[in-house]
Amino acid sequence: EPEVTQTPSHQVTQMGQEVILRCVPISNHLYFYWYRQILGQKVEFLVSFYNNEISEKSEIFDDQFSVERPDGSNFTLKIRSTKLEDSAMYFCASKYGTSYEQYFGPGTRLTVT
Amino acid sequence: GNSVTQMEGPVTLSEEAFLTINCTYTATGYPSLFWYVQYPGEGLQLLLKATKADDKGSNKGFEATYRKETTSFHLEKGSVQVSDSAVYFCALSEGKGGYQKVTFGTGTKLQVIP
Repeated sequence: EPEVTQTPSHQVTQMGQEVILRCVPISNHLYFYWYRQILGQKVEFLVSFYNNEISEKSEIFDDQFSVERPDGSNFTLKIRSTKLEDSAMYFCASKYGTSYEQYFGPGTRLTVT
Repeated sequence: GNSVTQMEGPVTLSEEAFLTINCTYTATGYPSLFWYVQYPGEGLQLLLKATKADDKGSNKGFEATYRKETTSFHLEKGSVQVSDSAVYFCALSEGKGGYQKVTFGTGTKLQVIP
């Protein structure tokens, strides 16, 4: 069964450094998303992406964040200058067409020290 | 805006006990409703879904019915197993076209003891 994959599974970085989290969505999916989950808290929407542009973003997704689909398979989330409060599990998700179901990846745990 | 409220955990049950996890929602239109499950150390998996009022979603012995009149989507299972121990998230998705984002509840941790 096709699945969403994410790399790395765990990333440790120092405050102020740039990180890129990578996702490979399911191959025929058209809509892509990033969510995050701070430890012990709810999963929060960050951004949705369709047709090579951002379709919606939350207030969390400020100028320090960016997304890109550099080729036909990868979908990346970049944090330009990480802060301690960026430590969280980041989930990528993808969806085909107008279906309701989003498929989530296993997540990348980001630890900012 | 949309929101999802679910019962606080953790919930601790003995094996074969009956499970109910309450979930209510607030939405401006007619959302689709979901339960996601997160097993220890893993990502989010869709457990079941319902896309319109009175629909019942079911999977792996779990059930939830979309109740528009009470804006609820409670998760139930008749006989839980140790392997059901996980965090359960109630969620909704709303919007036209393909742009729906998912709004999650805070999650309810279930621990099933033998």
